[in-house]
This record gives sequence, C-alpha cells and structure tokens, in this order.
Amino acid sequence: DVKVTQSSRYLVKRTGEKVFLECVQDMDHENMFWYRQDPGLGLRLIYFSYDVKMKEKGDIPEGYSVSREKKERFSLILESASTNQTSMYLCASERITQGYTFGSGTRLTVV
Amino acid sequence: DAKTTQPPSMDCAEGRAANLPCNHSTISGNEYVYWYRQIHSQGPQYIIHGLKNNETNEMASLIITEDRKSSTLILPHATLRDTAVYYCIVRVNSGGSNYKLTFGKGTLLTVNP
Repeated sequence: DVKVTQSSRYLVKRTGEKVFLECVQDMDHENMFWYRQDPGLGLRLIYFSYDVKMKEKGDIPEGYSVSREKKERFSLILESASTNQTSMYLCASERITQGYTFGSGTRLTVV
Repeated sequence: DAKTTQPPSMDCAEGRAANLPCNHSTISGNEYVYWYRQIHSQGPQYIIHGLKNNETNEMASLIITEDRKSSTLILPHATLRDTAVYYCIVRVNSGGSNYKLTFGKGTLLTVNP
C-alpha cells in the first residue's frame, strides 16, 4: 500500500515562528498536494507540485510556501505563523489516474 | 473544472445499499468523475473514478449516466463504518495544473443500525 507520512500529528507553535510541515510518500508518485481543512470551509488547496522543483499555487497560497527538492518529499512552510493558520493540514500524493492518497494530517495550533 | 452538486446529507440502514447521487451537468468530455470519502478525523480516502463506463471495485460501484451529467456511487451493503462525508469531484487527467482536485462540501452519509 502507498504510504503518505506526515511528520507530526499535532503541533503547537508561537505566532511569528517559521513552521515546516513535512510530507513523504513512498511510491514514486508524480503529484503532491497540500490542503488545509477548517470547519465549515472544507478542504482548500494551498499548493501542489506535479514534478520535482515544480510548484503551483492553489486557492489559498498566501502566507505559505513549499519546497520539492526530491520526488518523495513535499514540504509546506509557514514563513511567519499566525493564529489564522491554526488548522488541520493534509498532504496527498497521486500517481496520475489512480486517485489521491492522503496522509493522516497535522493538526497545527498557533498561539 | 466542472462543478458538482450533492445533497448535504443522507441516511441509510445498515446492510442496505447506499446510493449517493451527484450532478455534474457542465462536465466536459475529458473530465473524469472521482469519488472520495472522509471519515471523521481522518484524511480523505479514494473510492473510485470513471469517465464514461460504469466502474466497480472492492469498495463501491460507480454508475455514470449516458449523457454524463450525473452519477451515482453505490455502496452495496452499507456498514456503520461507511458513515462519512462523500465527495464527488470532476477533473481532467492531463496537464500539470489540471491535476488538482477541488473538494466541495460533499454528502454526509449516516448509516444507522
């Protein structure tokens, strides 16, 4: 089975900190994605990547950046964490036409 | 991507078939229909997808109408563990920026004992 591993299940950070959320997949998938999920707003796409070093903005990229230096790893970076970035963050990967596989999520709290 | 319309909630008795509808009247010829579900506190899970023909796998069946303007996801024998939010999404399967999935609000399926 494909595994998508997110480095932390729960994370608490202070306002203004730089935060790194790591995501690793083990099946050589081309596409990787970062979503956030908030009550009442559903899943919203932050950034995605369809190849190494390629990245594209999703629907809500402001305040975030990403890095994909290797095919298996896609990192989400919060440059200066703010309280409105408190959320559940979900990473996914996909081999084209086979559907996304999601990680378990990271629940980030910014205080 | 074409928009989809799903009922906000549905109920189903345990052991019965659950039929979840989805309208996608503006779907393009090269757009696939995907279904995912999300059980509380977990990441979404891929269920099935199709283009024109009906599809079946170990989890579910997907019935797409001939005009492709709507589809139905069928869980043949629903269990309590199938209680989840079900998302219907349409997407092309080519071109870098086209790979993203846009999740709507989905249908909350509650399977009752």
